[in-house]
Order: sequence, then C-alpha cells, then structure tokens
Amino acid sequence: EAEVAQSPRYKITEKSQAVAFWCDPISGHATLYWYRQILGQGPELLVQFQDESVVDDSQLPKDRFSAERLKGVDSTLKIQPAELGDSAMYLCASTLGSHEQFFGPGTRLTVL
Amino acid sequence: AQSVTQLGSHVSVSEGALVLLRCNYSSSVPPYLFWYVQYPNQGLQLLLKYTSAATLVKGINGFEAEFKKSETSFHLTKPSAHMSDAAEYFCAVSGYGGSQGNLIFGKGTKLSVKP
Repeated sequence: EAEVAQSPRYKITEKSQAVAFWCDPISGHATLYWYRQILGQGPELLVQFQDESVVDDSQLPKDRFSAERLKGVDSTLKIQPAELGDSAMYLCASTLGSHEQFFGPGTRLTVL
Repeated sequence: AQSVTQLGSHVSVSEGALVLLRCNYSSSVPPYLFWYVQYPNQGLQLLLKYTSAATLVKGINGFEAEFKKSETSFHLTKPSAHMSDAAEYFCAVSGYGGSQGNLIFGKGTKLSVKP
C-alpha cells in the first residue's frame, strides 16, 4: 500500500541549530502539505505545494522556516535557527486532488 | 472563513459503551467534513468524510457520522467502544478549490476506553 514517507521520525536539537525534515509523498500526488502540530492541538498548515510551486505559505514563519519541492516530488522543510517554541510534530500530507489527504507518520522535534 | 469546534478535549467511556464525539463547524461555503484518528506518535488516518453526498457517512472500524446542516454539526459515533479505539480524534473542515481546499482542524478529543 502506498504511503507518505517522512524522516527522521524523531529529532532532538539545541536552540539556534538548524534542522531539516524530509517528506516523500505518495507517487503521483501533485499536492503536498506541511503541517505543524503542537502537543494537545490540531495540525496547522505551514505550506502547500502544487507540483513544485508554493500555493499557500501564509502561515510559514519565513524568518526562520523554509520549504522546497524542487522537482515536484519530495520536499524538505528547514528551520534555522530552531527555537524552543518550535518543539512539535511536523506532519507531511499529500493528495491527488480528491480532498482526502494522506498523512505520513510525522517527525517529532524537540528543541532543548 | 472556516472553523471547527470539538466539544470536550477528553472523553472516557467503558468498553462496549456508545462513543459520541462532538464536532461543530463554521463555513462560508458548502463544507467538506472529515474525521481523522491519531495514535500516539503517529500520523493521522482518515476515518470518514462527508463530501455532499449522503448525510450519514460510514467509515472504518465501525464509526459513522451524520452531517446536520441545520445544527452545523458532524458528530462521530460508534455503537460499541473497543479498547483499540483509544486515541485522539480530530474533526476537520475544508471548502473546495485553491486554498479553500485546505483542511482546518479542531483541537482534538482524546478518547479513553475503560475495561
């Protein structure tokens, strides 16, 4: 069964360091999303890609966060420098356009 | 603008009892509505979705939800809880087209099942 892959699953870093997360969507899914889920909250959209283009990054803190999907397939989300408040689960999802989003297992980030 | 309110951050039921998780939505366009389940340190799995077809939607693992436009509700139910149902449940709303197709999630309801 096709799945969204994410790595790493867990990441511990110190504040002011740089971190990067990787996502490989289900093959053929043109739309890719990155969400941030703070403990005890629902996921919140950070950025949406359609192929290699950013559709919506209005909630992405652009002073420290960046996201790319250069070839319209896999994607990388980067935080530099990390802050204590960035500790959260980072979820990637993809869709073929049917409104049903398929989520990966997430990356749990802890910033010390 | 769209929003979701999940009543009750934590619901506890006994095994075999009815499960009822409440969700109310606000949407300026005809909504698509979803319920997702999340187990600890895992991603979200779709339980069921409403996309303007039948108002009673059946999902996986015996769950179902009813879309009630007059009450702006989409409550999730299961007749008989199982221990394996213990997880966090998220209700989500979206519109259609462009950024209106983005999911807006509620804060979640953690379901505990007592033996």
